[in-house]
Amino acid sequence: EVKLVESGGGLVQPGRSLKLSCAASGFSFNDYWMGWVRQAPGKGLEWIGEINQDSSTINYTPSLKDKFTISRDNAQNTLYLQMSKLGSEDTAIYYCAREGYYSLDYWGQGVMVTVSS
Amino acid sequence: DTVLTQSPALAVSPGERVSISCRASEGVNSYMHWYQQKPGQQPKLLIYKASNLASGVPARFSGSGSGTDFTLTIDPVEADDTATYFCQQSWNDPDTFGAGTKLELK
Repeated sequence: EVKLVESGGGLVQPGRSLKLSCAASGFSFNDYWMGWVRQAPGKGLEWIGEINQDSSTINYTPSLKDKFTISRDNAQNTLYLQMSKLGSEDTAIYYCAREGYYSLDYWGQGVMVTVSS
Repeated sequence: DTVLTQSPALAVSPGERVSISCRASEGVNSYMHWYQQKPGQQPKLLIYKASNLASGVPARFSGSGSGTDFTLTIDPVEADDTATYFCQQSWNDPDTFGAGTKLELK
């Protein structure tokens, strides 16, 4: 069974940094592109970015490219999202997802990040 | 960025057929995908590449379209289909999502 479990969320002050993790199991992690998507409270989905199998290609939505960094550790079957200079607009549920058939075929349950003083 | 436009809400009765549309601001080939999200849950893939049913998804769901106009059809609609439906394109960089269509049952 494919399983994706995000962690590392919580309350963070404006301007600070936070690193999210996504532990993958039930599939061969190093065979898949992986991605991050976020959803602000009561809002729609926003694609953050993606990383290929060997980390040689990482794509971001342009508005987040200078704030967020996606990485992965294939030995640990873990995907990461490093977020910096956080503002209230970054308050959201953050989902990791596996890419399959050019779509996002499996999603984690999400982790909440709240940016507030 | 490619803007995907969806109607905000629809209301249908159980047993009826419903079509949810998604229009792209530029062509996306067939790289349009559909997700269902119920309150408090993560999104779930329904349709990939315009018309392909994802694993485990009931055949009541179907997708069609190419280029800029796409449709998700549910026939017949069941009470459990109450949810928000999002389209996503992965042809143009960056990937983008529609704002979602909230489906309510009468």
